[in-house]
Amino acid sequence: AQKVTQAQTEISVVEKEDVTLDCVYETRDTTYYLFWYKQPPSGELVFLIRRNSFDEQNEISGRYSWNFQKSTSSFNFTITASQVVDSAVYFCALNHRTDKLIFGTGTRLQVFP
Amino acid sequence: DTEVTQTPKHLVMGMTNKKSLKCEQHMGHRAMYWYKQKAKKPPELMFVYSYEKLSINESVPSRFSPECPNSSLLNLHLHALQPEDSALYLCASSQAGTTPYSNQPQHFGDGTRLSIL
Repeated sequence: AQKVTQAQTEISVVEKEDVTLDCVYETRDTTYYLFWYKQPPSGELVFLIRRNSFDEQNEISGRYSWNFQKSTSSFNFTITASQVVDSAVYFCALNHRTDKLIFGTGTRLQVFP
Repeated sequence: DTEVTQTPKHLVMGMTNKKSLKCEQHMGHRAMYWYKQKAKKPPELMFVYSYEKLSINESVPSRFSPECPNSSLLNLHLHALQPEDSALYLCASSQAGTTPYSNQPQHFGDGTRLSIL
């Protein structure tokens, strides 16, 4: 069975702090894809990154970075120097040989000024 | 602004009404999706269309009826809804993959906030 676990329900930080959002996944297949989405209060889900199971390179995009470790089945997301605009719900998701995204339960990030 | 446009943004309807939600994309995507999202929960997949054909129906009640008139449009027809159907309804699209499924990122609209009285 495929499953995505985001153990952190809610995280609160003060602006300029670094914050890491955890994502642990379960799948028996060797080919799969992992995603992170951001959902601000306005409602739309914004695609942030896709990683396939054969590419374990970490990625950095501005203040965002992702750490993919197959050995621990984790795909963690770090925001450096957080800003109030980063406040949102963040979802990790798994796609495994279907058109169906398996979402985690989400982590609500609140960044206070 | 998102590239997937959903209308209306808000909808209030009675349990006996018939209404439709609309979704449009012009990114050339051939896979389109409907999701339902309750407060503080992740989106739940309802339907998937691939090349204008229904490929996944997640056992959704028949009071929800999807339609894909062409590759850019996706509708969700609503009839005799229940109060528990009140939710945010999200449309998404993605490039259809060369395999039978799409591993491409899904791009979401802003959603329609539906309230059933």
